[in-house]
Amino acid sequence: DIQMTQSPSSLSVSVGDRVTITCRASQSISNYLNWYQQKPGTAPKLLIYAASGLQSGVPSRFSGGGSGTDFTLTISSLQPEDSATYYCQQSYSSLWTFGQGTKVEIK
Amino acid sequence: EVQLVESGGGLVKPGGSLRISCAASGFPFSTYTMTWVRQAPGKGLEWVSSISSRTIYYADSLRGRFTISRDNAKNSLYLQMDSLTTEDTAVYYCARERFLTGSAAFDIWGQGTMVTISS
Repeated sequence: DIQMTQSPSSLSVSVGDRVTITCRASQSISNYLNWYQQKPGTAPKLLIYAASGLQSGVPSRFSGGGSGTDFTLTISSLQPEDSATYYCQQSYSSLWTFGQGTKVEIK
Repeated sequence: EVQLVESGGGLVKPGGSLRISCAASGFPFSTYTMTWVRQAPGKGLEWVSSISSRTIYYADSLRGRFTISRDNAKNSLYLQMDSLTTEDTAVYYCARERFLTGSAAFDIWGQGTMVTISS
């Protein structure tokens, strides 16, 4: 199976800060990488597909980048409603795998 | 409105079985690959199984105990879970797989159904 490793596991940031979360795959996955946001008690929500595609309805402050094994999710100016856990997921293999999650908290 | 609604969760004793369901509406269900993802309390997301019109995939750790199926006439997805253990306790989500610029992603999720395995 392809292993996905996110860093950091958690971070505490201020409103307006730029936030970058990293995801690393155990082998090259081209651009087959998605990002999801999950708030407590709710289902995950697709933010970014194919490494850099912005899902419809997602604010433009969210962006994704990378290819091969290293990927990033960036929030350009953190808003209070962005407090959540973020997961990367590879879709290169039919045996899908997620990263362990990054919890973003507001200071 | 595109919607997925899970049902059938509950409390089961270790070693027992349970079948959970997902009702789809608002899109041509038969043309989409559908998936189950679970999340143990306080833990991350774990892909369980996916089913298209022709293929079925399972997570290696679950193959043999879980069986995914679908009824396109009823716009429904199912997960039969046997030989359940406490480690299967989780919220089970169904999700729709969609191809976006050649890459697949889960674009629609249900609200989840809680499965608790306890004696």
